[in-house]
Amino acid sequence: ETGVTQTPRHLVMGMTNKKSLKCEQHLGHNAMYWYKQSAKKPLELMFVYSLEERVENNSVPSRFSPECPNSSHLFLHLHTLQPEDSALYLCASSQYTWRDEQFFGPGTRLTVL
Amino acid sequence: KQEVTQIPAALSVPEGENLVLNCSFTDSAIYNLQWFRQDPGKGLTSLLLIQSSQREQTSGRLNASLDKSSGRSTLYIAASQPGDSATYLCAVSGAGSYQLTFGKGTKLSVIP
Repeated sequence: ETGVTQTPRHLVMGMTNKKSLKCEQHLGHNAMYWYKQSAKKPLELMFVYSLEERVENNSVPSRFSPECPNSSHLFLHLHTLQPEDSALYLCASSQYTWRDEQFFGPGTRLTVL
Repeated sequence: KQEVTQIPAALSVPEGENLVLNCSFTDSAIYNLQWFRQDPGKGLTSLLLIQSSQREQTSGRLNASLDKSSGRSTLYIAASQPGDSATYLCAVSGAGSYQLTFGKGTKLSVIP
């Protein structure tokens, strides 16, 4: 595997389910990101893990919970989501910080029923 | 708060034509600017990154320019091909911010 991979590629879940999205980067990078892409809106940064520091967008609801066990893996844990959370969730990585070129995974298309 | 605008929202051109995509940003205190390509339902592919101290970057048929003082960048695509059809996104990294700020993109269709 090369680059940034994400699993699953598609996910359908009910509002009471708990699921997790996984991201793995094979680029030797030290920073990883979660983005949300909704229809007709710009990409929205959700979380950043950069050099072991976590930064989050304060507008992200607590039903989204990130986990970064090491510099190569990033998870997004989902629970009690709402239909408006349906979107494409993109993971990205960069060498050290948000100032470096970012490389994106293919995304997980999430549908909340 | 940084805002990024991309005009036009959609563009359709015949194959072989040269074209320019525009990006503007409100806060000129940027660290760098990045152009991405996104195919339908897919992730983003990085095309070019321009540091704030640079004026342009080139990769193959693509040339991106940056005028930081006026808050503008352009992406020039030479001799367009149907395979260039995609949405092109512009994003800026703010000097005082921890994130990239994205525009909504320009959807390009190159007609054979």
